[in-house]
Amino acid sequence: SAVISQKPSRDICQRGTSLTIQCQVDSQVTMMFWYRQQPGQSLTLIATANQGSEATYESGFVIDKFPISRPNLTFSTLTVSNMSPEDSSIYLCSVEGGRGHLEQFFGPGTRLTVL
Amino acid sequence: GENVEQHPSTLSVQEGDSAVIKCTYSDSASNYFPWYKQELGKRPQLIIDIRSNVGEKKDQRIAVTLNKTAKHFSLHITETQPEDSAVYFCAASMGGNTGKLIFGQGTTLQVKP
Repeated sequence: SAVISQKPSRDICQRGTSLTIQCQVDSQVTMMFWYRQQPGQSLTLIATANQGSEATYESGFVIDKFPISRPNLTFSTLTVSNMSPEDSSIYLCSVEGGRGHLEQFFGPGTRLTVL
Repeated sequence: GENVEQHPSTLSVQEGDSAVIKCTYSDSASNYFPWYKQELGKRPQLIIDIRSNVGEKKDQRIAVTLNKTAKHFSLHITETQPEDSAVYFCAASMGGNTGKLIFGQGTTLQVKP
């Protein structure tokens, strides 16, 4: 499976600021996703990061709050904008296994704490 | 909207016993059902999956069964070991082959030595 890295691994931010999280894959992948995992909770899909076009957001998530970039097939960023303590979560990117496989593999996650 | 229900939320077993976790899904178009194991502070790891054209799949001590008619699938772990202790998540694909997954609420499995 692909090697996935995320930066930063963790951060502590002040409310009202923004943080950009990077996801890098060591091979080209078609499908890349961003998830949120709130403390002690399950994973919730934020959006699908589409290469060359705007991201597709799930219900409850909007582009102004979570702008996403996908400049190529190995890289994506998620920005958490105008943060509040409720945004404190782990943010994970995931990629599909490739070759038409449905398997998804997750990056190590970014643990965000908003004060 | 689509959802996945997972039970139980916590499960405690004695080492060597079996553990079963059950999930139900609502989207008739779901055709892919993975299971993830998440250890504390780690990323979710894919441990087994099943597609809608298969009723059962086994990999050593873990197995997954799928009943498409009833829209439910289950994870079975036999001969549990302390290292099986973790949070387990089931998931179902959304809207066919979109690649998007909707996750269950998770089951915390504790295996007592």
